[in-house]
Amino acid sequence: QKEVEQDPGPLSVPEGAIVSLNCTYSNSAFQYFMWYRQYSRKGPELLMYTYSSGNKEDGRFTAQVDKSSKYISLFIRDSQPSDSATYLCAMSSTGNQFYFGTGTSLTVIP
Amino acid sequence: GAVVSQHPSWVICKSGTSVKIECRSLDFQATTMFWYRQFPKQSLMLMATSNEGSKATYEQGVEKDKFLINHASLTLSTLTVTSAHPEDSSFYICSARDPLQGPSGANVLTFGAGSRLTVL
Repeated sequence: QKEVEQDPGPLSVPEGAIVSLNCTYSNSAFQYFMWYRQYSRKGPELLMYTYSSGNKEDGRFTAQVDKSSKYISLFIRDSQPSDSATYLCAMSSTGNQFYFGTGTSLTVIP
Repeated sequence: GAVVSQHPSWVICKSGTSVKIECRSLDFQATTMFWYRQFPKQSLMLMATSNEGSKATYEQGVEKDKFLINHASLTLSTLTVTSAHPEDSSFYICSARDPLQGPSGANVLTFGAGSRLTVL
């Protein structure tokens, strides 16, 4: 079983829709839960991270962590064409081990 | 967040030549940097962990002699692809822990913009 599972999509939504991106994981030791956005031919850009459980909101983006279910989500409200990218989830505990999902490709159609 | 600068962003070379990619942490010191490789439409694959002043730690299956990593200062790590071949063509990305995330330093990575290597 992979440490982190993420549906690769692709996901296509109309502009203005609410987007839900999700990852599941198996290691209960993970403490940091990250979401990255990666445009084509660019490095991943950190959108937000959450420490332990709970929600975090930043503008149109909301990250949720449910440690009991080992499930994390990223919600994008009022999606824009500029949100079209690949979204990677990542997790870590302490030390040098970081685990990444395979990424979900999102297209927001004007 | 903190910024990691990577150069060059794109390089084309002939088979058999060597190519060096630089990764710099701007305005912060990075004792550890990570080098990833990414194939089209795939996730990040960790190649090696670069440690300032000591040898890099390579992941299983990564050839140490082909992918030379040097971390000579707290702000610079380099990856040299030696005797490059077409199968080495890929997107290489470096990263470091972001010291600006969280009051006590969260274990969160910040990435460079990546370097696209094409070997002819």
